[in-house]
Amino acid sequence: DSGVTQTPKHLITATGQRVTLRCSPRSGDLSVYWYQQSLDQGLQFLIQYYNGEERAKGNILERFSAQQFPDLHSELNLSSLELGDSALYFCASSAGQGVSNQPQHFGDGTRLSIL
Amino acid sequence: GENVEQHPSTLSVQEGDSAVIKCTYSDSASNYFPWYKQELGKRPQLIIDIRSNVGEKKDQRIAVTLNKTAKHFSLHITETQPEDSAVYFCAAIPYNQGGKLIFGQGTELSVKP
Repeated sequence: DSGVTQTPKHLITATGQRVTLRCSPRSGDLSVYWYQQSLDQGLQFLIQYYNGEERAKGNILERFSAQQFPDLHSELNLSSLELGDSALYFCASSAGQGVSNQPQHFGDGTRLSIL
Repeated sequence: GENVEQHPSTLSVQEGDSAVIKCTYSDSASNYFPWYKQELGKRPQLIIDIRSNVGEKKDQRIAVTLNKTAKHFSLHITETQPEDSAVYFCAAIPYNQGGKLIFGQGTELSVKP
């Protein structure tokens, strides 16, 4: 158990819909990261929040947004879903002040299936 | 931006043999290099990491080496066991981009009993 909690574990929905994925970081960790894992793209960084503020951004689609709340949990919102958004979405967290070289620990992921 | 290349994509070894996975990176300012193990349907699990001020790090049967001049780093697993079978990912964090991990493409390791 990494201490990072993600809900839900599985999500099945249709094209055009909107979903929210939730992540609670390990106790004491201030940074939260979101990654997408698909068969053709591998593990891709989406976005990082540190203590409520956006810290780094990857190739995140405009249809996707995220935020980190005062209690440090984070939500990833995916809208106008397309078939290609089907993937595993992982959240990770790390200690420290959002600088590099801090180990990141991953949650169990949310498997999103678009029908 | 940072690019991480990982080889080989698949690796099959006999139980007890050693396995080596290699990665190269493009950003010379990258300073942190973790390795993750991912079993089928599970989360990536951090198994070892190395920082740019260190050339080698060991943890029991696992070791990582870093050559900053050549911009490559390698994972070495000795005395492999069937439970080492998984996909292994290397990664690097580019300088001054928060904690953004750039992953290699992954290596599927199969250890045959």
